[in-house]
Amino acid sequence: KAGVTQTPRYLIKTRGQQVTLSCSPISGHRSVSWYQQTPGQGLQFLFEYFSETQRNKGNFPGRFSGRQFSNSRSEMNVSTLELGDSALYLCASSKGPTGTGGTGELFFGEGSRLTVL
Amino acid sequence: DAKTTQPNSMESNEEEPVHLPCNHSTISGTDYIHWYRQLPSQGPEYVIHGLTSNVNNRMASLAIAEDRKSSTLILHRATLRDAAVYYCILRDGQGAQKLVFGQGTRLTINP
Repeated sequence: KAGVTQTPRYLIKTRGQQVTLSCSPISGHRSVSWYQQTPGQGLQFLFEYFSETQRNKGNFPGRFSGRQFSNSRSEMNVSTLELGDSALYLCASSKGPTGTGGTGELFFGEGSRLTVL
Repeated sequence: DAKTTQPNSMESNEEEPVHLPCNHSTISGTDYIHWYRQLPSQGPEYVIHGLTSNVNNRMASLAIAEDRKSSTLILHRATLRDAAVYYCILRDGQGAQKLVFGQGTRLTINP
């Protein structure tokens, strides 16, 4: 069973540019969430999508956006890049909200490492 | 979001048991206790979770205090591949997929 696939794995951008990152979840998984990991702030939740709808959003500026397609694949976009956006961006997938219990395991990809110069 | 407190780092020897503590004094009745770990250059990986009772799986055991204000992840026989950052996370039991990561415990395993 293929895992969570994130592309590109590495990319370099300059300040002011924008970037789009892609995430393909595990087959059958309908929930996708995104996280930013930096040495200073650690792992921080960006947003979560289920069935093409954003269900939850972290405390990030509006420059960070995302979407989910009908096949559950997801993209996140960062516009007007700043130096502080340099980070590892991780995508996680799960089967989705489990109702009572809420204990569905999240499966993480290896991340997209963004460097902003 | 309820907070967890973990030691910044721990060290153990190969083939010995490891007990990783976590304090979560503000846990609510619907919060599940989850553990994830992150190996170098990889995304986090699920380890185990529980609500009230102790739990065992092929990777580890989770011991939960009776008042649920603390828990301990137990690796019964550590190997070098267990060297990672271990995160203790409280997760809303109402279906939210959001994980709130703390700084975690960096576990070093000595050969």
